Amino acid sequence: DSGVTQTPKHLITATGQRVTLRCSPRSGDLSVYWYQQSLDQGLQFLIQYYNGEERAKGNILERFSAQQFPDLHSELNLSSLELGDSALYFCASSVVAGEGQETQYFGPGTRLLVL
Amino acid sequence: AQKITQTQPGMFVQEKEAVTLDCTYDTSDPSYGLFWYKQPSSGEMIFLIYQGSYDQQNATEGRYSLNFQKARKSANLVISASQLGDSAMYFCAMRASQGGSEKLVFGKGMKLTVNP
Repeated sequence: DSGVTQTPKHLITATGQRVTLRCSPRSGDLSVYWYQQSLDQGLQFLIQYYNGEERAKGNILERFSAQQFPDLHSELNLSSLELGDSALYFCASSVVAGEGQETQYFGPGTRLLVL
Repeated sequence: AQKITQTQPGMFVQEKEAVTLDCTYDTSDPSYGLFWYKQPSSGEMIFLIYQGSYDQQNATEGRYSLNFQKARKSANLVISASQLGDSAMYFCAMRASQGGSEKLVFGKGMKLTVNP
């Protein structure tokens, strides 16, 4: 158990709908990263938040947005869903284990299926 | 831009044997970190081992060791004494520093099957 929690574990929805994925980082971790894992694109970085502020953006679609709340949990919002958004969405939080060594620990993921 | 290459789509190994999973990387950053993660069929991503670019020694964590060859830009994972529970997808990743972010860039992964 990494200490990172994600809910829900599975999500089935229809095209055009909107869903919210939730992530709680490890106790004390300030950074939250979101990744998408799909068969065709592999594992891709979407977005990072650090202590409530957006830190970096990756290949995140405009239909997707995220935020990190004062209690450090984060939500990833996916709207106008398309079939191609079906994927495993991971949240990771990071701890600095030593100089220059920031290790990301992943949650169990949310498996999204868009029908 | 950083890039991770894992060319082995799949490997088979007998239980109790050692196995090496290949990873090559490309980066222009003088300082970087390399990671290996394991993804069992249940889907979670499990951190295995880390190697920093300035580390003098190869990283080891229990049965896992990282064969780091900086000049060749390779960071191969060695699993000693394979166990059935080692059957999983394995991903090599590099820390890509970007404006204060430490996002990970992943390879495509490779599937390891341990046979009894």
